[in-house]
Amino acid sequence: EVQLVESGGGLVKPGESLRLSCTASGFPFSTYSLNWVRQAPGKGLEWVASISSTNNYREYADSVKGRFTISRDNAENSLYLEMNSLRDGDTAVYFCSRDEVLALGIGGMDVWGQGTTVTVSS
Amino acid sequence: QLVVTQSPSATAALGASVKLTCTLGAGLDKYAVAWHQKQPQKGPRFLMKINSDGGHNRGDGIPDRFSGSSSGVERVLTISSLQLEDEADYFCQTWGAGIRSFGGGTKLTVL
Repeated sequence: EVQLVESGGGLVKPGESLRLSCTASGFPFSTYSLNWVRQAPGKGLEWVASISSTNNYREYADSVKGRFTISRDNAENSLYLEMNSLRDGDTAVYFCSRDEVLALGIGGMDVWGQGTTVTVSS
Repeated sequence: QLVVTQSPSATAALGASVKLTCTLGAGLDKYAVAWHQKQPQKGPRFLMKINSDGGHNRGDGIPDRFSGSSSGVERVLTISSLQLEDEADYFCQTWGAGIRSFGGGTKLTVL
């Protein structure tokens, strides 16, 4: 079964850091680009960051650029999101997702995890 | 910036059909989209990808009550024979030049 499972969420104070993990199973992890997407309370889905299959290409939403770092360990089938200088506005459920692989690049997101909750509050 | 626009809400009767429209920004008429369903307390679920030519492919286990079409910058998700379990938020997503972008979502109510 193709599966993504997030972990690492919790309650932190503004300015603190947190590291999220996403463990994959059921597919050849190293051949897929991956993403972090979040949903703040009562809001829609917001793309956060993406990383290529070979770990050498990363992109970030402007809202997290310079504060968050996406990384992966293909040997461990794991994706990570290091979040620093957290703000109240980062409070959300964070999901990891997989991009469809196409012959000439990537497609849309085609597999999702269940999410992990991050709450930033003093 | 990849602009993706959705109507915030839609309502349809049990057993009826509904069309949810995703409108891409100017110049994005060749872009494909993916549609995702989000129910409370669950992770999003990939429904289908719709190409600019209207071709579409459903995700694993997605029933053929879900179909897609395309015209210009519009990518339309049609749900027929609506069931109560279809009541959810639906998000349209596109991608390009390394970034991904979501529409604001459409909340579907099934009466």
